[in-house]
Amino acid sequence: DGGITQSPKYLFRKEGQNVTLSCEQNLNHDAMYWYRQDPGQGLRLIYYSQIVNDFQKGDIAEGYSVSREKKESFPLTVTSAQKNPTAFYLCASRTGLSTDTQYFGPGTRLTVL
Amino acid sequence: GESVGLHLPTLSVQEGDNSIINCAYSNSASDYFIWYKQESGKGPQFIIDIRSNMDKRQGQRVTVLLNKTVKHLSLQIAATQPGDSAVYFCAETMMDTGRRALTFGSGTRLQVQP
Repeated sequence: DGGITQSPKYLFRKEGQNVTLSCEQNLNHDAMYWYRQDPGQGLRLIYYSQIVNDFQKGDIAEGYSVSREKKESFPLTVTSAQKNPTAFYLCASRTGLSTDTQYFGPGTRLTVL
Repeated sequence: GESVGLHLPTLSVQEGDNSIINCAYSNSASDYFIWYKQESGKGPQFIIDIRSNMDKRQGQRVTVLLNKTVKHLSLQIAATQPGDSAVYFCAETMMDTGRRALTFGSGTRLQVQP
């Protein structure tokens, strides 16, 4: 998992609640990403950020929000507008130089009760 | 990206045999490809990458082959071990775009029989 940490490992949410997933990296990487993974499927991009104070929507951004106030942190908020939030959420980071290799955190499993 | 399915294809091999996992990618403009290994409940782990100006790259016990003509990528694992059991994903991207995000395939489950 490199120097990327995600917390909590498991998260339970009641319907109508917003929850925030933490992602921290000590790799001095410029770019950070959030993906969602559903059972038996690949990863889908939610949001990404290439530099501090800047972020862009991915393919499935509806119902999610992010911030990038610090280089090492990229928290994801799952809002009540996300109709089917139960999934495995993965954060990744990349150096921003000549390589596109992304390194992933251990993930957070979110379950809506 | 590729369409994703609810059921992962599974490759079952005997310990010690060689494994070949295949991936058909969707974007002919993609120029960088990565193979990841994901164990249950964990984040994907980088295995090997290849750029589009190459057709083969070797690592420790792994080889990636790229056929741009038919948009096909394969991962070969030599002398497969029980610890290789996992889901394997290929990912593609275009390095010249600002987004530089990965598009993932739906994955293949590798089961190694002792």
